[in-house]
Amino acid sequence: GNSVTQMEGPVTLSEEAFLTINCTYTATGYPSLFWYVQYPGEGLQLLLKATKADDKGSNKGFEATYRKETTSFHLEKGSVQVSDSAVYFCALTGSARQLTFGSGTQLTVLP
Amino acid sequence: NAGVTQTPKFQVLKTGQSMTLQCAQDMNHEYMSWYRQDPGMGLRLIHYSVGAGITDQGEVPNGYNVSRSTTEDFPLRLLSAAPSQTSVYFCASSSGSSSYNEQFFGPGTRLTVL
Repeated sequence: GNSVTQMEGPVTLSEEAFLTINCTYTATGYPSLFWYVQYPGEGLQLLLKATKADDKGSNKGFEATYRKETTSFHLEKGSVQVSDSAVYFCALTGSARQLTFGSGTQLTVLP
Repeated sequence: NAGVTQTPKFQVLKTGQSMTLQCAQDMNHEYMSWYRQDPGMGLRLIHYSVGAGITDQGEVPNGYNVSRSTTEDFPLRLLSAAPSQTSVYFCASSSGSSSYNEQFFGPGTRLTVL
């Protein structure tokens, strides 16, 4: 079956630091890949997505590239802000629309 | 649009009690689903529906029932609550038939079973 392995947290960074959160996946066929973000006390919001190999998803300064050869979809941001503090989830969908999530990575950005 | 709404926000139950978690969406989405979120485990799919009158099981369906009588509503029923069902529950919806369509999540219901 499908699975997503995500970098263990929590991650604590200073403002303006570079962020990488690793995500690798196992899936049959050609999954679509997603990063969702959960701010404190809220539901999940789609941050970015990529639907085929070599696609780059980007939003709010965050980027992730769909790497089929390494089955990875690492999240990066060049300069984090305090407002980026949240939990980040890597996820995939296969032929159906059911999302398979990683365990989540808690990010705290200090001023 | 209100998007996806869930009620209640918080609930405490005793073991063996029953309750229904409500979920509604006003975006005319045909696909709806329920997830539970537990520490260190991400979100896991409980049940889903691809349209009114059609439901199916996800990864962790035991102890939960669902029905979908309208496009808008997708309630989740706990018939006899157990402490293992203490969790945060999220409802989600999406449009279209594609697996890459965005899913919209509600704000969640935090359930504690004593």
